[in-house]
Amino acid sequence: DQQVKQNSPSLSVQEGRISILNCDYTNSMFDYFLWYKKYPAEGPTFLISISSIKDKNEDGRFTVFLNKSAKHLSLHIVPSQPGDSAVYFCAASSGGGADGLTFGKGTHLIIQP
Amino acid sequence: DGGITQSPKYLFRKEGQNVTLSCEQNLNHDAMYWYRQDPGQGLRLIYYSQIVNDFQKGDIAEGYSVSREKKESFPLTVTSAQKNPTAFYLCASTTDPSPYNEQFFGPGTRLTVL
Repeated sequence: DQQVKQNSPSLSVQEGRISILNCDYTNSMFDYFLWYKKYPAEGPTFLISISSIKDKNEDGRFTVFLNKSAKHLSLHIVPSQPGDSAVYFCAASSGGGADGLTFGKGTHLIIQP
Repeated sequence: DGGITQSPKYLFRKEGQNVTLSCEQNLNHDAMYWYRQDPGQGLRLIYYSQIVNDFQKGDIAEGYSVSREKKESFPLTVTSAQKNPTAFYLCASTTDPSPYNEQFFGPGTRLTVL
């Protein structure tokens, strides 16, 4: 029973355009959400997070939107750059993350020149 | 440089053998975590520790054991009871197990059972 779902295994976007990665969750107890970027054979790198008391958080080219009623969050990257090509994982936790994170299966983002 | 180190990067073991994966951090983080990643899958939580000498089972703890004798170290033992041990193992830590602190990950260890 997957509690965090990333339904797009891959996404291809042209350089300079906006990349939108989506994530859905089923556990209403989740109150903290994070996005990580991962290259093959490396550990994930933290990108951006949002707590359930907010509906938007922005950091440079990265913006995360949270729609609690729909149990949906999205990561926007604008403009997309070649270095953004990686696998992006959505993660969630209840209790703010102290007890570990629940991850989605990831979306492989490919930025085309 | 502060960070999380995992060793070795690649590990091979024969079926039926126990093997211990190392995780060390010099970030002065209180909480540490072990995750497992399988191809095409997300990361799944094996064990976590919020403080020295205390640890909790995660979602897939069967066949694994851990210890937390020092703040800096959180080794994971993959025992022969783990049915499918071949995977990519990731260690993470966070500064304080209180809410809303992101986890920082090490580079990972790829374990292959021959």
